[in-house]
Formats: sequence, structure tokens, C-alpha cells
Amino acid sequence: DGGITQSPKYLFRKEGQNVTLSCEQNLNHDAMYWYRQDPGQGLRLIYYSQIVNDFQKGDIAEGYSVSREKKESFPLTVTSAQKNPTAFYLCASSFYRDSNQPQHFGDGTRLSIL
Amino acid sequence: AQTVTQSQPEMSVQEAETVTLSCTYDTSESDYYLFWYKQPPSRQMILVIRQEAYKQQNATENRFSVNFQKAAKSFSLKISDSQLGDAAMYFCASLDSGTYKYIFGTGTRLKVLA
Repeated sequence: DGGITQSPKYLFRKEGQNVTLSCEQNLNHDAMYWYRQDPGQGLRLIYYSQIVNDFQKGDIAEGYSVSREKKESFPLTVTSAQKNPTAFYLCASSFYRDSNQPQHFGDGTRLSIL
Repeated sequence: AQTVTQSQPEMSVQEAETVTLSCTYDTSESDYYLFWYKQPPSRQMILVIRQEAYKQQNATENRFSVNFQKAAKSFSLKISDSQLGDAAMYFCASLDSGTYKYIFGTGTRLKVLA
């Protein structure tokens, strides 16, 4: 079955440490997105990528970095510069320039500080 | 920039009754798409229904329907015969066809009372 896989489901970060969240999709989608969700709040866009080897900053990119070397993969690194990383992170994908298609989401990664 | 506003942080409905969740949006686009997503306690994001702006007919998916008022920029979700499994956060979203970013509202938490 096609879908989006996020791993790990739970992640703990120590002070000063970088951590990487994985997102893989086998839906042949062009575009991929990373969102942050804080308790009881909506989704805020961190980064998005519409084609391989290209990505754009979203609304809250500071303290995060991404890469898009393969169509299927869009890993997110939470750097030590992100001072408040505790949140739920959602990865999504969609067809680019096909507005009729909605985003598909992974099951999320919950990141906490040790 | 496009915006999506959900003015009801929380709503309650009695089981088997009908409830309407509100959403307004602002866009300068002539062609756009609107979506409602459901996020149950499992935190999965599930597409409930979508509406294409150029279609005058309101979208319907089983017990879920929308009231799309294009001139008023309103996109409300009606849930008929509410069930306990409908309890979740509901997010309204629009797709900016210029940047291909999805814009999400802040969500409405729906409680279903037995």
C-alpha cells in the first residue's frame, strides 16, 4: 500500500544535540512538506519542497534544516539552534501543480527534550 | 497572503444530532481548492471533504457536507447524525495555487456527547 512513513514515532533530544526526523513516501508525489504542531494548536509550515534538490522556507524555518536528494525522501533536522523543539512533527506530500489532490500525511513524530 | 480563520476553538454536539463548524478564508485567487481535515486523538490527519471553488455545487461525503459561500468566502462543514467517532480536531485548509502551500486554520475541537 502507498503511503508516508515517518520515523521514529518518539524522539528525545539532549541539550546541544541535532536530531533528524525521517519522512519517506511511495506515492510518487512531487511535493513534500514539514509541519510543526504544538499542543492544542494548528499546523505551522517549517519547510517544503516541490521538486528534488529544491526546497523553500516556510513560516518557522529558523533552527531547522532539510534536504531533498531523492523524490521519496525529505528528512528534517532539528538543530541545537531551535531552542524550543518540543512538539509534534507532521510530514505531508502531494502532487505538485495538481490542485485537485489533497495532501497526504504521515503518522507524525513526537519530539521531546531530555 | 491567503488566510484561513476558524473562529470556534471548541464545539459540542449530542450523539445523532447535527453540528456545523465554521471556516472563513481570504484569497485573491480566482481558482482555488478548500479542504476539511480531521485529526482524532491518534494525531493522524484524515481528509474529510474537499471543494473546488469553481464548482457551485456543495461537496458531500456521506454524513459530511459543506456550505460553500464563495462571495462571503465561507466554507463551513456540516456533520449529520454525529457519532462518537467524530470527536476530533477539525482543520479547514486552502491551497494557494501560486506557491502550492497549504494554509491551515487553527482548528476546532469537536466533542460528541453520548
